[in-house]
Amino acid sequence: DQQVKQNSPSLSVQEGRISILNCDYTNSMFDYFLWYKKYPAEGPTFLISISSIKDKNEDGRFTVFLNKSAKHLSLHIVPSQPGDSAVYFCAASEHNFNKFYFGSGTKLNVKP
Amino acid sequence: EAQVTQNPRYLITVTGKKLTVTCSQNMNHEYMSWYRQDPGLGLRQIYYSMNVEVTDKGDVPEGYKVSRKEKRNFPLILESPSPNQTSLYFCASSYTSGANVLTFGAGSRLTVL
Repeated sequence: DQQVKQNSPSLSVQEGRISILNCDYTNSMFDYFLWYKKYPAEGPTFLISISSIKDKNEDGRFTVFLNKSAKHLSLHIVPSQPGDSAVYFCAASEHNFNKFYFGSGTKLNVKP
Repeated sequence: EAQVTQNPRYLITVTGKKLTVTCSQNMNHEYMSWYRQDPGLGLRQIYYSMNVEVTDKGDVPEGYKVSRKEKRNFPLILESPSPNQTSLYFCASSYTSGANVLTFGAGSRLTVL
């Protein structure tokens, strides 16, 4: 059973608007969460992360929010740009970082 | 350029014919790992290695073997491939097992007929 879930396989947003990608997890032992971005024919690349001791982390246009009680995190992209069109994977790890658990990905399409 | 290199990038093979997917990193990373990506399932961890001669199972190790004889290389071995191992495979590495950011290779698409 998947411990990290992304229930929206795809999302379409207009350029300049906000993109919100969601992720849910079931394992309360997870204490580090990451978002990776993947373009076709390339490997995933790290985007942003958050530790369980925080509820928000911001890096430029990207902000990740963590709601531990709901076991939910989200990635906000503001403003969205056509170059943001990619598949976004949510991932989680326990404190030792030996094992990472990934969601199934959300394909974001930002329309010009 | 710092990178993780996988070979082959594409391979079509037949059931039972042993194959090896190589993975090499030039960043002196201690930690390396293999994942497979399947539709609707995301990336699932096959094996990982915390250092030379130290390997452990991930979530889906059945049908795979790995070895870590050198720090830079972490090959994935399919002794007797089956059609259910048709997948997109990614190798990843990080500085240490305690590091939280993985650097991924470009992927190897394997088809087993």
